[in-house]
Amino acid sequence: DGGITQSPKYLFRKEGQNVTLSCEQNLNHDAMYWYRQDPGQGLRLIYYSQIVNDFQKGDIAEGYSVSREKKESFPLTVTSAQKNPTAFYLCASSLRTGGAGNTEAFFGQGTRLTVV
Amino acid sequence: AQSVTQLDSHVSVSEGTPVLLRCNYSSSYSPSLFWYVQHPNKGLQLLLKYTSAATLVKGINGFEAEFKKSETSFHLTKPSAHMSDAAEYFCVGPPGGSYIPTFGRGTSLIVHP
Repeated sequence: DGGITQSPKYLFRKEGQNVTLSCEQNLNHDAMYWYRQDPGQGLRLIYYSQIVNDFQKGDIAEGYSVSREKKESFPLTVTSAQKNPTAFYLCASSLRTGGAGNTEAFFGQGTRLTVV
Repeated sequence: AQSVTQLDSHVSVSEGTPVLLRCNYSSSYSPSLFWYVQHPNKGLQLLLKYTSAATLVKGINGFEAEFKKSETSFHLTKPSAHMSDAAEYFCVGPPGGSYIPTFGRGTSLIVHP
């Protein structure tokens, strides 16, 4: 079955440590996205990528980094520079960007990161 | 900049009564618009989408939405709420020039027995 997979579902990190969240899709989508969700604040865009080896900062990129070495994979690293990393992180993908009649985004099940 | 605005942070209904979740958009041209649902600690599931084919869009679980260009609205409705409809609902659209899913702040639907 095609879909988008995030792992792990729950992640605990000590302060000062970097941690990487995995996102894999087998939908052959060009575009991938990372969002952060906090209670009462909706979803905020961290990074997005429209093509392999290219990515762009979103609204809240500080303290995060990404890579897009393969079309299927878009891992997110939460660095020690992120001041308040505890949140629910969602990865998404879509067929393409730009133009009218765009297809919808497909979402993973999320990773809940807790800093202890 | 184009955006979507969800007018209510919380909507409370009784089981069996109609549901109305409101969304307005701003766009200089006909947008693509979507409604997603999120149950606690889960990812987002697509309910329905508008891509300029028909103004009344039917989705899953009995939900539908009507695109009204004159009112720049895309409100989500359901004739009769079920307890299982209790969740967070997001109206999503693209900004102009490229498609990056842009979210409204979300509306929490509470369903009372």
